[in-house]
Amino acid sequence: EVQLVESGGALVQPGRSLRLSCAASGFIFDDYAMHWVRQAPGKGLEWVSGINWNSDSLDYADSVKGRFTISRDNARNSLHLHMSSLRAEDTALYYCAKDHRSSGGALDIWGQGTMVTVSS
Amino acid sequence: DIQMTQSPSTLSASVGDRVTITCRASQSIDHWLAWYQQKPGEAPKLLIYDAGSLQSGVPSRFSGSGSGTEFSLTISSLQPDDFATYYCQQYNSDWGTFGQGTKVEVK
Repeated sequence: EVQLVESGGALVQPGRSLRLSCAASGFIFDDYAMHWVRQAPGKGLEWVSGINWNSDSLDYADSVKGRFTISRDNARNSLHLHMSSLRAEDTALYYCAKDHRSSGGALDIWGQGTMVTVSS
Repeated sequence: DIQMTQSPSTLSASVGDRVTITCRASQSIDHWLAWYQQKPGEAPKLLIYDAGSLQSGVPSRFSGSGSGTEFSLTISSLQPDDFATYYCQQYNSDWGTFGQGTKVEVK
């Protein structure tokens, strides 16, 4: 079964850091690009970051550029998002999503999300 | 950055209705567009990719069309399971921008 399981969400104070992880199974992980997408409570979807199959191409939304770092470990079938200088507006459910291509396409498999709350 | 604008924001419809949602890109994205369905408390589900290709397992009442800057998602005969929020997403020049969503609600 194709599956993505996120972890690492927590309640964190503004200005602090947090690392999210996504464990992938049921498909050849290093054949596909991977993404993080977030959804603030009661709001729409916001693409956060994406990384191609071999990590030589990646990008970020302007809202997180310079603060978030995406990475992947193909040997461990895992995706990560290191978030620093967190702000209240980063509060959201963070989804890990599989691309249907090796670089920049539609998102065909989604995890159930991990919640990040930034508050003092 | 490419901006995606969906219309309408909310659509009231009845079971059996033909429903069309529109998505407009701020610049040409060729056919690099996807449509997703999201129900409350669930992760989004891919319906359509490359503007008009139906994702495996998605009912044939869903269809997508368009190219360049104008796109549409059509549900030919709305079913009870289709009341949800729908999002478009472009994946042309940058990695991905979503529209703001269209909620399809019971009329």
